[in-house]
Amino acid sequence: DIQLTQSPSFLSASVGDRVTITCRASQGISSYLAWYQQKPGKAPKLLIYAASTLQSGVPSRFSGSGSGTEFTLTISSLQPEDFATYYCQQLNSYPRFTFGPGTKVDIK
Amino acid sequence: EVQLVESGGGLVQPGGSLRLSCAASGFTFSSYEMNWVRQAPGKGLEWVSYISSSGSTIYYADSVKGRFTISRDNAKNSLYLQMNSLRAEDTAVYYCARESVWGSYRHFDYWGQGTLVTVSS
Repeated sequence: DIQLTQSPSFLSASVGDRVTITCRASQGISSYLAWYQQKPGKAPKLLIYAASTLQSGVPSRFSGSGSGTEFTLTISSLQPEDFATYYCQQLNSYPRFTFGPGTKVDIK
Repeated sequence: EVQLVESGGGLVQPGGSLRLSCAASGFTFSSYEMNWVRQAPGKGLEWVSYISSSGSTIYYADSVKGRFTISRDNAKNSLYLQMNSLRAEDTAVYYCARESVWGSYRHFDYWGQGTLVTVSS
């Protein structure tokens, strides 16, 4: 099974900061990676798929990059509504699409 | 507007059963593959089960194989998860999620609000 790790697990940042979250896969997954945002008590929300394609309606301050085993999610200028937990998901080993452990972004 | 609404969660004793439902609207349900994903309290997301658009292909996570059964009724725009032999470790919020494909790239683009299953005596 493909395992995903995320770093950091927890991140404290201020409004306006540039934030980068890394997701690493235990084996190459090409660009079969998605990113989700989850706020407390809410369902996950798709941000990015195919490693770098922004989902419709998602602000352009979110971007994704990477391929193979290393991927990044970048928030160019953190907004108050972006404080949440972020998960990566590999969609290479169909259909057992595992998730990373999550990165919580908190207010400094 | 795409909507997925789960129901059927609740408190059940270890060894008991529960059937979750997910009512879909706002899209052609029969054209989409669907999944169940769960999240234990304070934990991350865990993929549980997949069903193809026709219902002919089904997969399960090892943690629920042999105990859970996914199904769908395309005439009723509904997805189901029959959960038997429930264990304390099955306690979680259960989400249904629509799977979309762009080229060869899949993703879960819509999620329900979740339904809480608590397994406890």
